[in-house]
Amino acid sequence: EVQLVESGGGLVQPGGSLRLSCAASGFTFSSYSMTWVRQAPGKGLEWVSYISGSSEAINYADSVRGRFTVSRDNAKNSLYLELNSLRAEDTAVYYCAREGSYGSASRGIFDYFDYWGQGSLVTVSS
Amino acid sequence: DIQMTQSPSSLSASVGDRVSITCRASQNINNYLNWYQQKPGKVPKLLIYAASSLQTGVPSRFSGSGFGTDFTLTISGLQPEDFATYYCQQSYTTTWTFGQGTTVEIK
Repeated sequence: EVQLVESGGGLVQPGGSLRLSCAASGFTFSSYSMTWVRQAPGKGLEWVSYISGSSEAINYADSVRGRFTVSRDNAKNSLYLELNSLRAEDTAVYYCAREGSYGSASRGIFDYFDYWGQGSLVTVSS
Repeated sequence: DIQMTQSPSSLSASVGDRVSITCRASQNINNYLNWYQQKPGKVPKLLIYAASSLQTGVPSRFSGSGFGTDFTLTISGLQPEDFATYYCQQSYTTTWTFGQGTTVEIK
């Protein structure tokens, strides 16, 4: 059974830092790209960051680029998100999600987020 | 970034109704479009990928259609467990973007 378990959330002051972790099990972690998605209280979903299976490809949303850093440790089946220079607008539940895919190079490869963790709440407030 | 716009933002419907939610992309995304369902306090769940492919385990009353910039999620015969918020998401680029969500409420 695929499981993703986030940890590391909490209350932090504006300008502060936090590190989120996501422990994966039930699948070959290194074979999958992973993402972080966040959801501010009462708001919709916002994609935050992406990292490929071997960490060769990384991407960020404009809203967090330069402040957040995604990484992974395939030996530990773990995904991380380092949050720096935090702002009030970063307050959200942060989900890690597995990127599944379907298709072929000739017909197109379709990506989607097929498994999600339960989320970790980050609150930025003084 | 590609902008995704859903309509309506919310709707009220009764059990058994046929419900349609529209999602429009700001540029052509072929059929790189996914749909998710999120119930209050719960984690998002993948319903449909590649615009019309049903994720394993999702009831057949859910269907998706569309290509290019205009897409539709249809629920044929709304069930009590379907009252939730639905999000579209484009996967045409690796800066994924979601629609703002459509909440389906009980009439």
